[in-house]
Amino acid sequence: DVKVTQSSRYLVKRTGEKVFLECVQDMDHENMFWYRQDPGLGLRLIYFSYDVKMKEKGDIPEGYSVSREKKERFSLILESASTNQTSMYLCASSTRQRGGSYNEQFFGPGTRLTVL
Amino acid sequence: SQQGEEDPQALSIQEGENATMNCSYKTSINNLQWYRQNSGRGLVHLILIRSNEREKHSGRLRVTLDTSKKSSSLLITASRAADTASYFCATDGGNKLVFGAGTILRVKS
Repeated sequence: DVKVTQSSRYLVKRTGEKVFLECVQDMDHENMFWYRQDPGLGLRLIYFSYDVKMKEKGDIPEGYSVSREKKERFSLILESASTNQTSMYLCASSTRQRGGSYNEQFFGPGTRLTVL
Repeated sequence: SQQGEEDPQALSIQEGENATMNCSYKTSINNLQWYRQNSGRGLVHLILIRSNEREKHSGRLRVTLDTSKKSSSLLITASRAADTASYFCATDGGNKLVFGAGTILRVKS
């Protein structure tokens, strides 16, 4: 069974703090993703990575950075947390077919981050 | 944007009834995927349909894809209270999956 784990289920931080969200997958997937989910907006892609040390901006990268030093681990960093970054953060991983189309994504349980 | 848009936004049915959710998108796709999310949890993949497929089944789920209309539908037959969840379509246009805002399904027992 594919397992994607996230470091925290709930997190409360103060404005201006540096926040690290960690994600680990155990199925040797090449691709990893960070999304945020807000009511009525669905999932929005923040960053993704298709290989170690590789990263690509998603739709809403501003205010975030990522790190992928090992294949199984993908970290999301909020350099200086702000209240508008209060959200549910979801990590996912997947393989990719030859020709480029994505297979199913496996999601972690999510981290509900509150920035005060 | 190729974002999928689900319709309806919310659906409430009785246990045993069928539930149909629709997804429309704007650009060409490699595949379209449906996911379920139980309250406050991560998403779970349900089914993937490729652009050259028209219909796919998995247990009580039936997905159709009409690339000429750029739309897909998810049918859940003989619904159960445990099917209560949010359902999302996601389109793969080649460089990423794009998720819609979801349909909230409530199945009353």
